[in-house]
Amino acid sequence: GNSVTQMEGPVTLSEEAFLTINCTYTATGYPSLFWYVQYPGEGLQLLLKATKADDKGSNKGFEATYRKETTSFHLEKGSVQVSDSAVYFCALSKSSFKTIFGAGTRLFVKA
Amino acid sequence: DTGVSQDPRHKITKRGQNVTFRCDPISEHNRLYWYRQTLGQGPEFLTYFQNEAQLEKSRLLSDRFSAERPKGSFSTLEIQRTEQGDSAMYLCASSPTTVNTGELFFGEGSRLTVL
Repeated sequence: GNSVTQMEGPVTLSEEAFLTINCTYTATGYPSLFWYVQYPGEGLQLLLKATKADDKGSNKGFEATYRKETTSFHLEKGSVQVSDSAVYFCALSKSSFKTIFGAGTRLFVKA
Repeated sequence: DTGVSQDPRHKITKRGQNVTFRCDPISEHNRLYWYRQTLGQGPEFLTYFQNEAQLEKSRLLSDRFSAERPKGSFSTLEIQRTEQGDSAMYLCASSPTTVNTGELFFGEGSRLTVL
């Protein structure tokens, strides 16, 4: 079946460090891929998405590229801030009603 | 613009009791979803409505769980004869049908603790 695997956390970085959170997926066909973020005390919200191979999603300095050949959608940011501390979820969707989420990766950014 | 709201935010109950959660989606969204999230895991799909029709149910949704969306607006999720394994965060999300970007808009969740 369809699934998403992302790196375990927590990830702890100093401010202005480079961030990578790995995400790989298993799915037939061509799913849409997403990164959601959950800030403390808030609901999940969409961070970025890509709908086809080689698409790059970007938002708030975060980027992720849909790699069909490696079935990956790694999240990157060049310089993290304390305000980026949150839980990040990689997700895929093959239909309009069912989205499958990874287990989440908690990020702590120290000042 | 109000987002998705859920009520109650927290519920503590004893095993065997019934609980009901309510979700009010974004007003112009036709699609409504329920997910369950346990500690250290991502959300797991439970069920989906388009307007008032429940179109899909996960095998995770045992017969003790029932969800309704009677007028195609708010939805309720009822759990009967709760068990300790039901302790989780219950998330509601909505999305529009007119522009299908795949994006889900989540509420803050209802946390259930079964003692």
